[in-house]
Amino acid sequence: EVQLVESGGGLVQPGASLKLSCVASGFTFSDYWMSWVRQTPGKTMEWIGDIKYDGSYTNYAPSLKNRFTISRDNAKSTLYLQMSNVRSEDTATYYCTRTMGIGFDYWGQGVMVTVSS
Amino acid sequence: NTVMTQSPTSMFISVGDRVTMNCKASQNVGTNVDWYQQKTGQSPKLLIYGASNRYTGVPDRFTGSGSGTDFTLTISNMQAEDLAVYYCLQYNYNPWTFGGGTKLELK
Repeated sequence: EVQLVESGGGLVQPGASLKLSCVASGFTFSDYWMSWVRQTPGKTMEWIGDIKYDGSYTNYAPSLKNRFTISRDNAKSTLYLQMSNVRSEDTATYYCTRTMGIGFDYWGQGVMVTVSS
Repeated sequence: NTVMTQSPTSMFISVGDRVTMNCKASQNVGTNVDWYQQKTGQSPKLLIYGASNRYTGVPDRFTGSGSGTDFTLTISNMQAEDLAVYYCLQYNYNPWTFGGGTKLELK
């Protein structure tokens, strides 16, 4: 069974940094592109970016490219999202997704990030 | 960015109804559109990919259609378990973009 389990969320102050993790199981992690998608409290969905199966290429939404970094450790079957200089508008639930050429076929349960002083 | 506009934003429906919702792209995205279902408190689930292909295990009462800029998701014989928010996604252009969702509620 495919499972994606995110962690690392919580309450963070504006301007701080935060790193989210997603541990994958039930499939060969190193065979798949992976993405992060977020959903705001108002339920707006936003694709953050993705990373190639071997970690050699990343792609980001232009509005987030300068503050967010996606990486992976295939030996640990783990995907990461490094968030820097966070803002109130980054408050959202962050989902780790397995990415196919057809979209996102598996999603984690999500991890909540709240940016507030 | 490619804007995906969904309509209506909400619908009040009854079990057994035929439900149709729409998604309009701001530019031609071919058939590179997905539909996702998100039930309350759950993660989204892939229903339709490539505009008209049902994902594994999706009941055949769900049908996707369209190409170019106009797309439709139809649920024939609506079931109570289909109450959810439905999102479209285009993956033809970077960045991939979602619609705002259509929420199905019981009358």
